[in-house]
Amino acid sequence: QQQVKQSPQSLIVQKGGISIINCAYENTAFDYFPWYQQFPGKGPALLIAIRPDVSEKKEGRFTISFNKSAKQFSLHIMDSQPGDSATYFCAASIRGWGGKLIFGQGTELSVKP
Amino acid sequence: GAVVSQHPSRVICKSGTSVKIECRSLDFQATTMFWYRQFPKKSLMLMATSNEGSKATYEQGVEKDKFLINHASLTLSTLTVTSAHPEDSSFYICSARDRVNEKLFFGSGTQLSVL
Repeated sequence: QQQVKQSPQSLIVQKGGISIINCAYENTAFDYFPWYQQFPGKGPALLIAIRPDVSEKKEGRFTISFNKSAKQFSLHIMDSQPGDSATYFCAASIRGWGGKLIFGQGTELSVKP
Repeated sequence: GAVVSQHPSRVICKSGTSVKIECRSLDFQATTMFWYRQFPKKSLMLMATSNEGSKATYEQGVEKDKFLINHASLTLSTLTVTSAHPEDSSFYICSARDRVNEKLFFGSGTQLSVL
């Protein structure tokens, strides 16, 4: 019930294309859904996050789509660039956890020039 | 932006020795810090939650006597891997929660290699 399932495991996209990564969860108590970007040998960096009271949030080229009834959320990277090549993690948390995050399995994104 | 400094970034040690990793919030106070472990091409696994001035809360399966966590101040938490063995080799990452705005920031990680 505490798991967050992420897919695909790896993704190859052409420069300028749209990268889409999906996550699903079971625990309906989750109320915070962030996405993190991680480069090799570095810690994760917060990209964008959403709470379940909205269905979509956009920040620059990054958009989160949230489907509360399906218990799914996804990250869309528009106009993907080679510099976006990294590993992306979705995560989920509960406000009462004080910041404790449950991470998805990660998606290794490669954007080809 | 807020910075979490993690030190050292890389450490190699002999089997049986202990290694201390520091996690500092540089421009904010953190009542809560988290320690994660990450294997190559794998996700982050939460090891423990540390709260300033109190004992850490360990996740199931994490040996508290092996991974000693101390959170003695609002800006510093340390993870000590005691009597390290090759199977402890991993990437360790801390995160700190800003006590004012509750935002979470990650350190840059420590690659531990035990020979």
